[in-house]
Amino acid sequence: KNQVEQSPQSLIILEGKNCTLQCNYTVSPFSNLRWYKQDTGRGPVSLTIMTFSENTKSNGRYTATLDADTKQSSLHITASQLSDSASYICVVSGDMRFGAGTRLTVKP
Amino acid sequence: DADVTQTPRNRITKTGKRIMLECSQTKGHDRMYWYRQDPGLGLRLIYYSFDVKDINKGEISDGYSVSRQAQAKFSLSLESAIPNQTALYFCATSDPEASASTDTQYFGPGTRLTVL
Repeated sequence: KNQVEQSPQSLIILEGKNCTLQCNYTVSPFSNLRWYKQDTGRGPVSLTIMTFSENTKSNGRYTATLDADTKQSSLHITASQLSDSASYICVVSGDMRFGAGTRLTVKP
Repeated sequence: DADVTQTPRNRITKTGKRIMLECSQTKGHDRMYWYRQDPGLGLRLIYYSFDVKDINKGEISDGYSVSRQAQAKFSLSLESAIPNQTALYFCATSDPEASASTDTQYFGPGTRLTVL
């Protein structure tokens, strides 16, 4: 069954700290993997997109990695800011399956 | 101005009522989607449309119907609402011509629907 699992479910960190969010998937065939940021009360917004041949992609303080062999991805956030507080959603295509997301809270 | 808009933003209705959620986009994209989001679950695809008059069922289409009468508009209907359809509903658009390998989706702000 095509699934996307994210961990942790929620995370609280202090402003300025780094954190890493995990995404494991069983989706097959694989086309691409995306990370979205969803602020409370808003729709998801794309952060990064990686195809099979890419194993890392950066967008400012966000860096995503992909290991297509182990079917794992991570999203690393550097020097967190209060505005990073949001849910981060991993989406895997071919089948376009959404993970349940990781709820990140950054505290001052 | 938002590229993808949804109306209403919030709706409370009663079991058995028919309701319609509207989605409009100014991005000029051919592809449009409807998702629902429930706490603790990922977004799940209800219906999608790749062009005007093109309608395709998603993962959870039972109890829903859609209409795509124009490129810019995609409406979702609940013919007879039931409490387990209480959820956050998102519309999205994409343009595979922009990037065939990634087909990034652009989401609206969501409609919070409560069925009593």
